[in-house]
Amino acid sequence: ETGVTQSPTHLIKTRGQQVTLRCSSQSGHNTVSWYQQALGQGPQFIFQYYREEENGRGNFPPRFSGLQFPNYSSELNVNALELDDSALYLCASRRQENYGYTFGSGTRLTVV
Amino acid sequence: GESVGLHLPTLSVQEGDNSIINCAYSNSASDYFIWYKQESGKGPQFIIDIRSNMDKRQGQRVTVLLNKTVKHLSLQIAATQPGDSAVYFCAERRVIYGGSQGNLIFGKGTKLSVKP
Repeated sequence: ETGVTQSPTHLIKTRGQQVTLRCSSQSGHNTVSWYQQALGQGPQFIFQYYREEENGRGNFPPRFSGLQFPNYSSELNVNALELDDSALYLCASRRQENYGYTFGSGTRLTVV
Repeated sequence: GESVGLHLPTLSVQEGDNSIINCAYSNSASDYFIWYKQESGKGPQFIIDIRSNMDKRQGQRVTVLLNKTVKHLSLQIAATQPGDSAVYFCAERRVIYGGSQGNLIFGKGTKLSVKP
């Protein structure tokens, strides 16, 4: 058991729609990052939140946004979905003072 | 589950042999490195890590070597077992905002296949 739970596990959306993916981190994990993993590729960093504020962002457009909540849960929102957004979306959390990141099992998003 | 191993370099070894998976990282300022194992349909699972002030670290059946001169990382798995079959990723921590927060940059991954 990883301690990081993501929902839903699978999702199919239509191009142009909006989607919200959810992550529940371990208690005390005040840093959460989101990654996008296309088929056959390594995970790509989307953004990171610490104490409910974004403090790092990868090369993703503004239609990718997020929220982190005081109860160690977080959301990834994607607006105006494109076919290329089809991927496995991973949430990873850690304590700020520690190095180790714990990943969830991901949400498989398919955009048709 | 859907494979994440498509189009990846593949290493095929015999059960019981030792495996060595290599990785080149990109940023000399990265301060922390992790090896992850990813099985089909699952998220990355932590294997072993190493900080930049070390050149070797050992775990149970696994060893990570870090060569900062050539920016190279390797993962050695002793007595490889069928359960070790997966895609293996190295990741470097890219320091941001003065060093206290960093995101991970992943390599392309290597698919390890263990033949019984």
